[in-house]
Amino acid sequence: EAGVAQSPRYKIIEKRQSVAFWCNPISGHATLYWYQQILGQGPKLLIQFQNNGVVDDSQLPKDRFSAERLKGVDSTLKIQPAKLEDSAVYLCASSTQRFTYEQYFGPGTRLTVT
Amino acid sequence: DAKTTQPPSMDCAEGRAANLPCNHSTISGNEYVYWYRQIHSQGPQYIIHGLKNNETNEMASLIITEDRKSSTLILPHATLRDTAVYYCIVRVRSGGGADGLTFGKGTHLIIQP
Repeated sequence: EAGVAQSPRYKIIEKRQSVAFWCNPISGHATLYWYQQILGQGPKLLIQFQNNGVVDDSQLPKDRFSAERLKGVDSTLKIQPAKLEDSAVYLCASSTQRFTYEQYFGPGTRLTVT
Repeated sequence: DAKTTQPPSMDCAEGRAANLPCNHSTISGNEYVYWYRQIHSQGPQYIIHGLKNNETNEMASLIITEDRKSSTLILPHATLRDTAVYYCIVRVRSGGGADGLTFGKGTHLIIQP
């Protein structure tokens, strides 16, 4: 079974530029999550989708971050404009449904903002 | 904020049992204990979960105290590949809302050869 795919794996941009991350969840997984992991900390949930609808985006900085999951499969997370404090690893995870015991994480995209 | 407390780091000799403690003194009756680990440069990986009974799978054992205020993850025969950050998380098992995981800083377990 193929895992959660993310691209790119690494990205370096200057502050005030824009960037987009892509996630392809495990086939058939209805629930998709984006987490942000700052160096030395645990991952923090940014947004959760159930199919193509948003379940929770309470921790998403909506003035600069946006995410979509068109057709309920792939998802894109965008930052515009980026700030230095956005430097982090962005992790995508998926699960078969909400409240199942296991979330499957991708390898993440490491973003460096200079 | 995370509802769990874990030591920031631990060492264990290869081949020995690694016992990772977690304090969750404010856990509610409908909250489960989950353990994930994150190997360097990888995403977190699910290990095990439990409510009140001890649990065991092919990766680890989970011991939850009778009052449910603390638990211990046991890796019975640690190998170098078990070096990782281990996260203890509490979360409800069902509901109608979001189910995102709330991670703390975890325990960095280092297996020594």
